[in-house]
Amino acid sequence: AQSVAQPEDQVNVAEGNPLTVKCTYSVSGNPYLFWYVQYPNRGLQFLLKYITGDNLVKGSYGFEAEFNKSQTSFHLKKPSALVSDSALYFCAVRGLGGKLIFGQGTELSVKP
Amino acid sequence: GAGVSQSPRYKVTKRGQDVALRCDPISGHVSLYWYRQALGQGPEFLTYFNYEAQQDKSGLPNDRFSAERPEGSISTLTIQRTEQRDSAMYRCASSFMSNDEQFFGPGTRLTVL
Repeated sequence: AQSVAQPEDQVNVAEGNPLTVKCTYSVSGNPYLFWYVQYPNRGLQFLLKYITGDNLVKGSYGFEAEFNKSQTSFHLKKPSALVSDSALYFCAVRGLGGKLIFGQGTELSVKP
Repeated sequence: GAGVSQSPRYKVTKRGQDVALRCDPISGHVSLYWYRQALGQGPEFLTYFNYEAQQDKSGLPNDRFSAERPEGSISTLTIQRTEQRDSAMYRCASSFMSNDEQFFGPGTRLTVL
């Protein structure tokens, strides 16, 4: 069965520093992986996806993610964090029919 | 608007009542998905449609939950005889095709007293 794990409930970063939010996956076959962000009182917003091709995927708001097949990981990264990046981040893998299977989420807090 | 809309945004009901949650997807999107999200958790799949056909309802918790999309556009998720454990955020998403990225609505916060 497909699944994703986000090992950190919370990540704290100082503004201007690089950030990483971790995600590992377990799938049979080729993974289709996604990152979504949830701001308070708002819906989930799509950030980026990996389907195939280049292992470094660039997405919205300066975020990128690195697909690593040998480590079954898809970590979200940003070179320089902003206070406005503070939010809840979800990693997801695509299951049958396109349904998304989400991790439990990681709360990112960026302090000035 | 251009995005996915859901109504109502908040619903408070008493145990035993039926509720109907509505989702209006992005125009032209073939696939529509329903998820449920408990506090502090990631969204969990409930059911999905391609056009008006319900393709997978394996995530519906029990037979009190049902969904329809009769004209291939607006969808309604109905919960009969609500229970306190049904309290959660119910999220709808749509995508152009079933393997494309999904766009989520703001959700309906359901509270069952």
